[in-house]
Amino acid sequence: GAGVSQSPSNKVTEKGKDVELRCDPISGHTALYWYRQSLGQGLEFLIYFQGNSAPDKSGLPSDRFSAERTGGSVSTLTIQRTQQEDSAVYLCASSLGTGLRNTEAFFGQGTRLTVV
Amino acid sequence: GQNIDQPTEMTATEGAIVQINCTYQTSGFNGLFWYQQHAGEAPTFLSYNVLDGLEEKGRFSSFLSRSKGYSYLLLKELQMKDSASYLCAVGAAGNKLTFGGGTRVLVKP
Repeated sequence: GAGVSQSPSNKVTEKGKDVELRCDPISGHTALYWYRQSLGQGLEFLIYFQGNSAPDKSGLPSDRFSAERTGGSVSTLTIQRTQQEDSAVYLCASSLGTGLRNTEAFFGQGTRLTVV
Repeated sequence: GQNIDQPTEMTATEGAIVQINCTYQTSGFNGLFWYQQHAGEAPTFLSYNVLDGLEEKGRFSSFLSRSKGYSYLLLKELQMKDSASYLCAVGAAGNKLTFGGGTRVLVKP
């Protein structure tokens, strides 16, 4: 696609339910990032992928959070047994991620998750 | 690990200049980015520095000193539409990209 696509754009879920967030990166981008942003706050790093592997999972807040990427393309972020503090905008970004230099990351519009 | 610091908020007058500073400490350095984020929208790319010095792009300029772990974003001839958050981000080896907390800039008439 032309840009990074995230779905759903909005998700309201009941506390304790599982949710799955999807990110479709720009075609050909090998690096994919997940961030979380609470209202008025900066971007909290969650995890990133280089191809299908995740070199750094240190940002995942707890073992209720997991992410995978298959085929070097689409990624899903799963939150199990959601809690109210999980409410935030979840942003995905992708970049070419080749060579020694970081390359510009392009962001999707995010998924606004509300846990009630 | 990585530590990125920038001021929380700045206020400036339309037509003026504002400089947003960013200091960082990282394990490995692979470039510094500035992004702009309007309320309710996704961040958009403004600039990238990997070598020391000033990069100018229209009304926006970005400076980097790798030895000092320091960058700034300079916004000239401020316009009301420049009111937004400005995010400093550092790229590390392996393409990891970490963001600072962002600086909210309010432009007043």
